[in-house]
Amino acid sequence: QSVLTQPPSVSGAPGQSVTISCTGTSSNFGAGFDVHWYQQFPGSAPRLLIYSNDNRPLVVPRRFSGSRSGTSASLAIAGLQAEDEAHYYCQSYDTSLSGPVFGGGTKLTVL
Amino acid sequence: QLQLQESGPGLVKASETLSLTCTVSGGSITSDPYYWGWVRQPPGKGLEWMGNIFYTGNTYYNPSFKGRISISLDTSKHQFSLRLSDVTAADTAVYFCASPAKKEGWIQPWGRGTLVTVSS
Repeated sequence: QSVLTQPPSVSGAPGQSVTISCTGTSSNFGAGFDVHWYQQFPGSAPRLLIYSNDNRPLVVPRRFSGSRSGTSASLAIAGLQAEDEAHYYCQSYDTSLSGPVFGGGTKLTVL
Repeated sequence: QLQLQESGPGLVKASETLSLTCTVSGGSITSDPYYWGWVRQPPGKGLEWMGNIFYTGNTYYNPSFKGRISISLDTSKHQFSLRLSDVTAADTAVYFCASPAKKEGWIQPWGRGTLVTVSS
């Protein structure tokens, strides 16, 4: 069972918007640590999508955005494209682990 | 651009020790980002942080590995290594080497990952 909680799956049609939630606890988000998001395609390594809650690396399209409030965080994807179909993981730092923790991952299906 | 590449046996027998090496290129292992680590992913499952090492040699391990894990640096070869002892089938996974931006930060870049299968 993952320390950070994500829905197992979400779906949306091309052009629509979806949101993936990530819920933490007092030992990670609640302790003030940032959330980061990764995209992973089958057979590939995770790719950093959002860092420090709402920052986007230059190579990541503006359609991807992140937010965090209290012990919850969200990844929003606007204008869904077929190429967005992948697994998405949230990550933070946890004081009880003294290290990084991940969500269980969310599979995004583009209908 | 910093790049990481894992290497090591793809098959390990149960109860033996898994050993993997990560080679760093495009940057120095003793400079920014300074932290180097391992994350694994069992087939069809999520990501699990295993441990990090700072360029000074300080290590930080996931308690769930209960003393089975060791991470070390070889600065002369621009490499860092993972050893996981007394492996079982539950240790079958893709092992990624990666670099945290800081102890509490995001993780980027990542190696491509290498599948290690534990056989009985």
